[in-house]
Amino acid sequence: AQTVTQSQPEMSVQEAETVTLSCTYDTSESNYYLFWYKQPPSRQMILVIRQEAYKQQNATENRFSVNFQKAAKSFSLKISDSQLGDTAMYFCACNTGANSKLTFGKGITLSVRP
Amino acid sequence: EAGVVQSPRYKIIEKKQPVAFWCNPISGHNTLYWYLQNLGQGPELLIRYENEEAVDDSQLPKDRFSAERLKGVDSTLKIQPAELGDSAVYLCASSPGGWTDTQYFGPGTRLTVL
Repeated sequence: AQTVTQSQPEMSVQEAETVTLSCTYDTSESNYYLFWYKQPPSRQMILVIRQEAYKQQNATENRFSVNFQKAAKSFSLKISDSQLGDTAMYFCACNTGANSKLTFGKGITLSVRP
Repeated sequence: EAGVVQSPRYKIIEKKQPVAFWCNPISGHNTLYWYLQNLGQGPELLIRYENEEAVDDSQLPKDRFSAERLKGVDSTLKIQPAELGDSAVYLCASSPGGWTDTQYFGPGTRLTVL
């Protein structure tokens, strides 16, 4: 079974600055998918970005990009030009074909200061 | 395209009472998931459906929890009787099909058991 670890419980960043959220995972599978989800205070979980493990190129979505280090089993999220609307809880998650199960980390609370 | 719909959004009940949550997935999505999210934690899978079939219910406490997905579309999750420890957010998610697909989440139902 896979595990996902988010060791930082919370972070704060000034509006317009860049912040990086850390995530490590562990799986014995060779094929898997990694995700970052955002959950604002309203509770709707929204996909931010996803990465296929077989792709070496880091995924990007507008202001969001990942640093995928497969050997180190690290999957960090970089948010550029932070906006007030980025304030939310961010979850890192991993899905493997072994049990088709999406495993989440404990999440990190990000606060963007005006 | 409409997202995953859940109702009710909030529910307050006395312990030992029954409660039911309803989920309507994104149109055309064959796979439906129910997750439990405790405060400050990441979601944990309760049950996964592929069409009408519950293909993974290993984490569902079957003594008090039950679920159904009639006609492979809408789904209902029931707790009977509810306990104080069941207070949490119950999230429904859906995906088009296989494990490689992204899961899309509904807004959740916040259950409070008094």
